[in-house]
Amino acid sequence: DSGVTQTPKHLITATGQRVTLRCSPRSGDLSVYWYQQSLDQGLQFLIQYYNGEERAKGNILERFSAQQFPDLHSELNLSSLELGDSALYFCASSVLGTGNTEAFFGQGTRLTVV
Amino acid sequence: GQQVMQIPQYQHVQEGEDFTTYCNSSTTLSNIQWYKQRPGGHPVFLIQLVKSGEVKKQKRLTFQFGEAKKNSSLHITATQTTDVGTYFCAGHGDDKIIFGKGTRLHILP
Repeated sequence: DSGVTQTPKHLITATGQRVTLRCSPRSGDLSVYWYQQSLDQGLQFLIQYYNGEERAKGNILERFSAQQFPDLHSELNLSSLELGDSALYFCASSVLGTGNTEAFFGQGTRLTVV
Repeated sequence: GQQVMQIPQYQHVQEGEDFTTYCNSSTTLSNIQWYKQRPGGHPVFLIQLVKSGEVKKQKRLTFQFGEAKKNSSLHITATQTTDVGTYFCAGHGDDKIIFGKGTRLHILP
């Protein structure tokens, strides 16, 4: 158990809909990262938050947004969903925001868009 | 933009043979991390390399960071069935974290 909790584990929704994925980082970790992993693909970095503020942005679509709350949990919002958004979404957390510490990954949320 | 290329994409080896995966960045990295993802699992941190030319070992695993801090490798000696999974490198630079696409290792008994 990495200490990072992601909910829900599975999500099935229709095209055009909006969903929210939730992540609770490890106790004491200030940084949260979101990644998308499609079938047979690597990990696409979406966005990073550190202590409530956006720290770095990757290949995140405009239809996607995220935030980190004062209690440090984070949510990833995906809207106007398309079939191609079906993927495994991972959240990871680390102590620092500099990338110089290891990241602990949650179990992921498997999103299926039908 | 910054890219991290990882090769090979797939590797099949007989149990007991060695395995190597390579990671190359288009830009100089501040550090590089390696992760392992078992089938159906989530990535798990293996190691971080920071210094130019750094070499670290974990039992049968040897990790290297290139002198120019733009490439890295992971070598597994005498593979075992427990080594099955996908190995990812993650390059850190310019406030971005770029994962390679990973090398999926299959072990043939």
